[in-house]
Amino acid sequence: DAGVIQSPRHEVTEMGQEVTLRCKPISGHDYLFWYRQTMMRGLELLIYFNNNVPIDDSGMPEDRFSAKMPNASFSTLKIQPSEPRDSAVYFCASSRTSGGRDEQYFGPGTRLTVT
Amino acid sequence: KQEVTQIPAALSVPEGENLVLNCSFTDSAIYNLQWFRQDPGKGLTSLLLIQSSQREQTSGRLNASLDKSSGRSTLYIAASQPGDSATYLCAVRPVNDGANNLFFGTGTRLTVIP
Repeated sequence: DAGVIQSPRHEVTEMGQEVTLRCKPISGHDYLFWYRQTMMRGLELLIYFNNNVPIDDSGMPEDRFSAKMPNASFSTLKIQPSEPRDSAVYFCASSRTSGGRDEQYFGPGTRLTVT
Repeated sequence: KQEVTQIPAALSVPEGENLVLNCSFTDSAIYNLQWFRQDPGKGLTSLLLIQSSQREQTSGRLNASLDKSSGRSTLYIAASQPGDSATYLCAVRPVNDGANNLFFGTGTRLTVIP
């Protein structure tokens, strides 16, 4: 398996622009997670899906952030409009089953820089 | 809310030494604890996962232990090598407050000096 795939790997954009990050989970995994990593706050969960349905989006910082999962093999995280404080590394992860017994597998991340 | 702490924040050791990384968490009601490795500019690689009913897990030169009642875990690396240089993160999955959420520590940055 190719693992969790994220694109783009790097994104540089200007403040106010729309940014879309993409993720393809591992085939057969029914949970998908979006995390954000910053120096100040470390790794934080933004939102997660189960069987394409958003379950917990309490970590999404503002209404400027939105996430979708139209099918089992694709998810997007969108920021509109972007701000410099959104600069971070965004990770997507996937796992199978529930009950907290399975490992989460992480993608390589998207490094976002908003100028 | 679960809080995860890792000490030390950074560690440098000469090649060949055995070392221990520490992780503590405030709420012992967890499903499991996972240790990850993160190389600069890269994603997270899962090293070991310990279920709440287990005391330890081993993989090669790595051994992770879990003392759930005291809220502690250690990652033991034997015969360290320069290739072990990375940031090591522990994460717990709580039974409460989001069973599918992982709470991460801030990591220990390890440097193994040749």
